[in-house]
Amino acid sequence: AQKITQTQPGMFVQEKEAVTLDCTYDTSDQSYGLFWYKQPSSGEMIFLIYQGSYDEQNATEGRYSLNFQKARKSANLVISASQLGDSAMYFCAMREVFSGSARQLTFGSGTQLTVLP
Amino acid sequence: EADIYQTPRYLVIGTGKKITLECSQTMGHDKMYWYQQDPGMELHLIHYSYGVNSTEKGDLSSESTVSRIRTEHFPLTLESARPSHTSQYLCASSERGSSYEQYFGPGTRLTVT
Repeated sequence: AQKITQTQPGMFVQEKEAVTLDCTYDTSDQSYGLFWYKQPSSGEMIFLIYQGSYDEQNATEGRYSLNFQKARKSANLVISASQLGDSAMYFCAMREVFSGSARQLTFGSGTQLTVLP
Repeated sequence: EADIYQTPRYLVIGTGKKITLECSQTMGHDKMYWYQQDPGMELHLIHYSYGVNSTEKGDLSSESTVSRIRTEHFPLTLESARPSHTSQYLCASSERGSSYEQYFGPGTRLTVT
């Protein structure tokens, strides 16, 4: 089974509007971390936001917030007030503290976000 | 801004050649990683290291090898490049602890003709 599922291969949003990128995960660990990364066309991976499994509040970083619903195993990324520079590929990733080998990140297949002027 | 560097950024090379992709970080991170990513696809871990003289293979089988002789340096070597090795290779590092994000280098786009 996929550990990280991103069901939206592509998304479009109008500039200045908010957009939600979906991410569901599968783990039997009680302790894990969830990450979102942005990958522009230039190829580098840019860390956006982190949510720990024991964090009671949703993580926020500027225009980014993570809608964490633990019972549903979802960790959706919300981008408010979209900008043209937000156009990129977005990856959700998970690190399992105990069962993940090497505690490395497992990535989803990504969502290509396009912001329209 | 993360201090992790990869060279070369782009490489086109013929089949059978030996290549080394360089990765260096100046943050003193113990953990380092190599990922392989085909265009528009997810990242797959091919190698990782917890520290000097520690290297392990990742989930995705790879014909490449790595070494970790110094904390800051984690080169990846292909002894005999093949067209199937054409991909982007991303190096990353992180501090110890599960809550720390991985910092990525800019990547090397490898094309084997």
